[in-house]
Amino acid sequence: GQQLNQSPQSMFIQEGEDVSMNCTSSSIFNTWLWYKQDPGEGPVLLIALYKAGELTSNGRLTAQFGITRKDSFLNISASIPSDVGIYFCAGRGSARQLTFGSGTQLTVLP
Amino acid sequence: NAGVTQTPKFRVLKTGQSMTLLCAQDMNHEYMYWYRQDPGMGLRLIHYSVGEGTTAKGEVPDGYNVSRLKKQNFLLGLESAAPSQTSVYFCASSYLGDYTEAFFGQGTRLTVV
Repeated sequence: GQQLNQSPQSMFIQEGEDVSMNCTSSSIFNTWLWYKQDPGEGPVLLIALYKAGELTSNGRLTAQFGITRKDSFLNISASIPSDVGIYFCAGRGSARQLTFGSGTQLTVLP
Repeated sequence: NAGVTQTPKFRVLKTGQSMTLLCAQDMNHEYMYWYRQDPGMGLRLIHYSVGEGTTAKGEVPDGYNVSRLKKQNFLLGLESAAPSQTSVYFCASSYLGDYTEAFFGQGTRLTVV
């Protein structure tokens, strides 16, 4: 089946720093999604990408759909305490199911 | 606007007991999904449905059954619970098509002792 490698697994950063995380796939995807999960909650969609090379922003968040269609990146600029949580990438390929990465646990230090 | 609602939110089962988790969505979505989330493993698809009366197996279907008798509801059943099924279960739904995002419920934390 399709596999997603998400890195890093965890990050500790100072408030105000920028953050980057990425996902790579063993197969081609036609949709990339980025979610954030707060403790005790379900994942909430941050950004959706539908075209190779697409670069999309949502406030301080920017995500890109890799040109090879096998990877995606999420950047968070000027991090704040409420950015703490687990960030998941998810991709949809020919199988139509969403495959999720294992998540990046982000901790923002004051 | 409720979105995706899961019941119950918490449950403790003894090994061998059965139970049903209910997922309800009010967005008229065709697709519905059940995932389980375990530490360090992301979300793994158990079963999904592409419409009323249809179901299909996902990545980890063993030990689970599902039914989609009504478009807005997707039920996940455990016939004989095992400790390995201790997990957090999430339901999600989406519109039909490749280029759509999924919306998630708040999860059900299940412990099997």
